[in-house]
Amino acid sequence: AQTVTQSQPEMSVQEAETVTLSCTYDTSESDYYLFWYKQPPSRQMILVIRQEAYKQQNATENRFSVNFQKAAKSFSLKISDSQLGDAAMYFCAPFMEYGNKLVFGAGTILRVKS
Amino acid sequence: NAGVTQTPKFQVLKTGQSMTLQCAQDMNHNSMYWYRQDPGMGLRLIYYSASEGTTDKGEVPNGYNVSRLNKREFSLRLESAAPSQTSVYFCASTTFITVNTEAFFGQGTRLTVV
Repeated sequence: AQTVTQSQPEMSVQEAETVTLSCTYDTSESDYYLFWYKQPPSRQMILVIRQEAYKQQNATENRFSVNFQKAAKSFSLKISDSQLGDAAMYFCAPFMEYGNKLVFGAGTILRVKS
Repeated sequence: NAGVTQTPKFQVLKTGQSMTLQCAQDMNHNSMYWYRQDPGMGLRLIYYSASEGTTDKGEVPNGYNVSRLNKREFSLRLESAAPSQTSVYFCASTTFITVNTEAFFGQGTRLTVV
C-alpha cells in the first residue's frame, strides 16, 4: 500500500524567514513523481513544485526548493523568504507511473507571522 | 480551456437520499480521481480510474460507487447518503508523462447530509 506521512500538523514561520516541511512516503516503485501542493483558504489546489524520481538534482521554483532523498524516501519542502501569502495547507503526494495512484499526505498547516 | 469541471458546487441531501457528482476534464488525461476532504483534514482518496475502462478503490471507498463514462468523465455516486459523508469532494485528473506532469483539480463540491 502507498503511504504518505507528513509528521508536522502545523508549522509557524516569521515573515522573511525560512521553513522546512517534511514528507516521507513508502513505495517499491522506481519511477514516479513527487508533488507539493498548496491549498489556501479558498480550497483551490495549487501545484508548488514537482520532482521526478529519476532526477538526482533537487527541484527549485523561485523561493521553493526540495530536498529529495530517494533511498530514504524523503521529500521535504523548503520555503525561503516566507511571505504572508504562503500561509496555507501544504500537501505532499507521490504519483506512481505504474497504476497511477495519487495519494496525499495528511497535510501541514503553515502559519506566517508578520 | 476549462480544465476540470465539477457539478454541483453545493448540495444538501437528506439521510438515505442518493446523488451523483459529475466530473469532466478536457485535457485528454488518462487518470481521474475522487477525493473527500473533511474540515481541517487532508485529501483522502475514494476511488480512481487509471485509464478509461478501469476503476480502483482508494483509501475510503465504502458508501460510494464510480463510473468512468468515457475518457473525459468520471462520476461519483452516493447510493444512500449518511451524515458521515458530509464533506467537500474534489475531482482531479492527470497523466503520467515524462516532463511537467501535474494533477489538476476541480473547484470542489460541498456536500451536507442532514
